[in-house]
Amino acid sequence: NAGVTQTPKFQVLKTGQSMTLQCAQDMNHNSMYWYRQDPGMGLRLIYYSASEGTTDKGEVPNGYNVSRLNKREFSLRLESAAPSQTSVYFCASSEGGARFGRNGYTFGSGTRLTVV
Amino acid sequence: LAKTTQPISMDSYEGQEVNITCSHNNIATNDYITWYQQFPSQGPRFIIQGYKTKVTNEVASLFIPADRKSSTLSLPRVSLSDTAVYYCLVGAQDDKIIFGKGTRLHILP
Repeated sequence: NAGVTQTPKFQVLKTGQSMTLQCAQDMNHNSMYWYRQDPGMGLRLIYYSASEGTTDKGEVPNGYNVSRLNKREFSLRLESAAPSQTSVYFCASSEGGARFGRNGYTFGSGTRLTVV
Repeated sequence: LAKTTQPISMDSYEGQEVNITCSHNNIATNDYITWYQQFPSQGPRFIIQGYKTKVTNEVASLFIPADRKSSTLSLPRVSLSDTAVYYCLVGAQDDKIIFGKGTRLHILP
């Protein structure tokens, strides 16, 4: 099925370790996004990429870096993980533009990250 | 980006129609209104989007008054499986949208 694929689904890190969360979409969408969601909270935007080759900060970018590798892939990197980064991370994509596409955002199933 | 206000939580019973209203007083002329549904341990799922008047699809209806300062998501004849968090989003700026805390809808048997 077409959609957004995130890997891994679960990850446990020790404080100070680094890792990269992978995201790929096969809908030929222009825009891609990384959100985090903490228990009982809404989603907070970390970084986004309006088109291939561009990235911009969202609400909570500190401690993260991103790479828009090509139109399909958008990765999120934690260089030195901290317990405060324990969260569920969602990748999303959209056609982009002023209307976010006629079908809005398509989200992946999430990566549950625990930093101990 | 237009700020949205929606109830934190709502309860309803199976078979009833549920209406969730969202206020967005400073909506801009080119903003669209979009609603998402999120089940536990899943990413949000697009439900419906509209600009004005009424939009209906196989899942829900969206009612938007002429002044566009609010919108109402209507879920007909809900079932237990409609228990989820519902997010109202408004905007079109910079190709990014900010999610609030949404409305936790709890359907009772």
